[in-house]
Amino acid sequence: GDSVTQMEGPVTLSEEAFLTINCTYTATGYPSLFWYVQYPGEGLQLLLKATKADDKGSNKGFEATYRKETTSFHLEKGSVQVSDSAVYFCALSEDQAGTALIFGKGTTLSVSS
Amino acid sequence: GAGVSQSPSNKVTEKGKDVELRCDPISGHTALYWYRQSLGQGLEFLIYFQGNSAPDKSGLPSDRFSAERTGGSVSTLTIQRTQQEDSAVYLCASSLGPRNEQFFGPGTRLTVL
Repeated sequence: GDSVTQMEGPVTLSEEAFLTINCTYTATGYPSLFWYVQYPGEGLQLLLKATKADDKGSNKGFEATYRKETTSFHLEKGSVQVSDSAVYFCALSEDQAGTALIFGKGTTLSVSS
Repeated sequence: GAGVSQSPSNKVTEKGKDVELRCDPISGHTALYWYRQSLGQGLEFLIYFQGNSAPDKSGLPSDRFSAERTGGSVSTLTIQRTQQEDSAVYLCASSLGPRNEQFFGPGTRLTVL
């Protein structure tokens, strides 16, 4: 079945460092891809998404590009802030009948000043 | 407007007891999802309701789990004869339609002693 694999954390960075969180997927069809974020004490929030190959999702300085050839959707940010400390989840949903999200296990990011 | 709400926020129960978890979706959202977030398994899909259609129960882990959605709005997830492995955070999400962004509630943390 469909699945999502993302790098295990925790990822610890200093403020203004470059961030990459790797995410690869396995899917039989043409899924939509998502990054969700869970800040401490808060619920899951959609960070960005891409619905077809070569699409780039972006939000709050974060970017991810849907790469069909490498089945990847890596999350990047050029300069992280302390406020970016959170758990990040990569997810997919099938574009056809099923719309439930399939999540990766999550990556904890900790940014220090 | 109000987001997705869930109650209770925390529930502690004894092994073998039944529990009911409630979800109030965003008004007007026709799609409603239940997920489970646990340390060992990450975020897993449980069940999906769309309008008046039969629910997609493919993610329910056993027949001890059931859910209903009354009047196309509030949903209740019931776990019968709880086991320690049921301990997790149960998340509810709703969306305007089947392919729209899912908005998540804060979750119910269930602890089975």
